[in-house]
Amino acid sequence: DAGVIQSPRHEVTEMGQEVTLRCKPISGHNSLFWYRQTMMRGLELLIYFNNNVPIDDSGMPEDRFSAKMPNASFSTLKIQPSEPRDSAVYFCASSRNRWAEQFFGPGTRLTVL
Amino acid sequence: TQLLEQSPQFLSIQEGENLTVYCNSSSVFSSLQWYRQEPGEGPVLLVTVVTGGEVKKLKRLTFQFGDARKDSSLHITAAQPGDTGLYLCAGGGRGSTLGRLYFGRGTQLTVWP
Repeated sequence: DAGVIQSPRHEVTEMGQEVTLRCKPISGHNSLFWYRQTMMRGLELLIYFNNNVPIDDSGMPEDRFSAKMPNASFSTLKIQPSEPRDSAVYFCASSRNRWAEQFFGPGTRLTVL
Repeated sequence: TQLLEQSPQFLSIQEGENLTVYCNSSSVFSSLQWYRQEPGEGPVLLVTVVTGGEVKKLKRLTFQFGDARKDSSLHITAAQPGDTGLYLCAGGGRGSTLGRLYFGRGTQLTVWP
């Protein structure tokens, strides 16, 4: 079975540009999580969905960040406009339910110049 | 504010040595998870402990959850180069935050042959 799929794996953009990160969770998983990892702050939860509904978005840093889950097999995390301080590795994870083991994707390394 | 503090941040040892990594907090968690992350990949779950005082063994790795469910330790016996990686602990939220994971910054372990 395929694991969590994220695209792109690497993204380099200029400040002010819109960035869209994509995630396909494991089939049959009902919960999806977006995390951000930096050296300074470690791994932080940005938002998570249960059955495609956002449950907790308290980790979303600013209005520049938005996330959607239009169906059970796809989610996006958008940053508009992007800033250099958004540079990080963004991970998507999915689980059977919000209390079960989370399976992480390979991450998207974002660099904002 | 980091809910979970991991120590040491970096650990470099020779093959065959023993080591212990610590994960401490002033908060009580519903569970404590340990992950291992390799470069360019997402974290992979090693173990979940849920009961205060619980000890779990996974081959040469021993995990312990503190009696008060605020801290945990990971002990590796006879470390091998294959154990090299970033070890992350994560505490499970309670009550209104049930389902959330709070990660520490991690311990980067390097085992030299």
